[in-house]
Amino acid sequence: AQTVTQSQPEMSVQEAETVTLSCTYDTSESDYYLFWYKQPPSRQMILVIRQEAYKQQNATENRFSVNFQKAAKSFSLKISDSQLGDAAMYFCAYRSQETSYDKVIFGPGTSLSVIP
Amino acid sequence: DAMVIQNPRYQVTQFGKPVTLSCSQTLNHNVMYWYQQKSSQAPKLLFHYYDKDFNNEADTPDNFQSRRPNTSFCFLDIRSPGLGDAAMYLCDTGQLNTEAFFGQGTRLTVV
Repeated sequence: AQTVTQSQPEMSVQEAETVTLSCTYDTSESDYYLFWYKQPPSRQMILVIRQEAYKQQNATENRFSVNFQKAAKSFSLKISDSQLGDAAMYFCAYRSQETSYDKVIFGPGTSLSVIP
Repeated sequence: DAMVIQNPRYQVTQFGKPVTLSCSQTLNHNVMYWYQQKSSQAPKLLFHYYDKDFNNEADTPDNFQSRRPNTSFCFLDIRSPGLGDAAMYLCDTGQLNTEAFFGQGTRLTVV
């Protein structure tokens, strides 16, 4: 079974600085998606960025980028120029591409605080 | 426009009184999921539908049931809510090769 691990329960960053959130996962599959979801206090789950496992190029969305290391099964999220609105719980997640249904498997989450 | 809509956003129910939460989607996705999320925890999958096929997670209590009358709608029924069922309930739709599409969630309070 697939698992997702986030080793940092809490992180903090100064406004305008850069922070990296760590994620590792375990799978025997070769085709899958990885995601970072943001969940602010409103509790809406918002997709931040996604990465297809077959792509070597790291995904980027504006201030958010990932460092995807498939062999090491590592998928970290870098937030540049941090803003107050980035404060939230961040979940790393995995979704298989090899099954007929593909539930999302979440890591335990990292709570990010942004210091003004 | 919201593609996955959950109603209500907030639900208060009495201990032991049945309650139904609703999820609708405009994406025409085959799969719909229900998750339970307690404070400061990751969402936990309760069950999912692939079309009309219902799939229960092994550790989902019998107290939780679901109905999917058509592609667009899926309901979560809690037959006898206990205090431990107070949580955020998230609905999600999926299709192969896409990310998950979450609704805004229903926050359930049991009094």
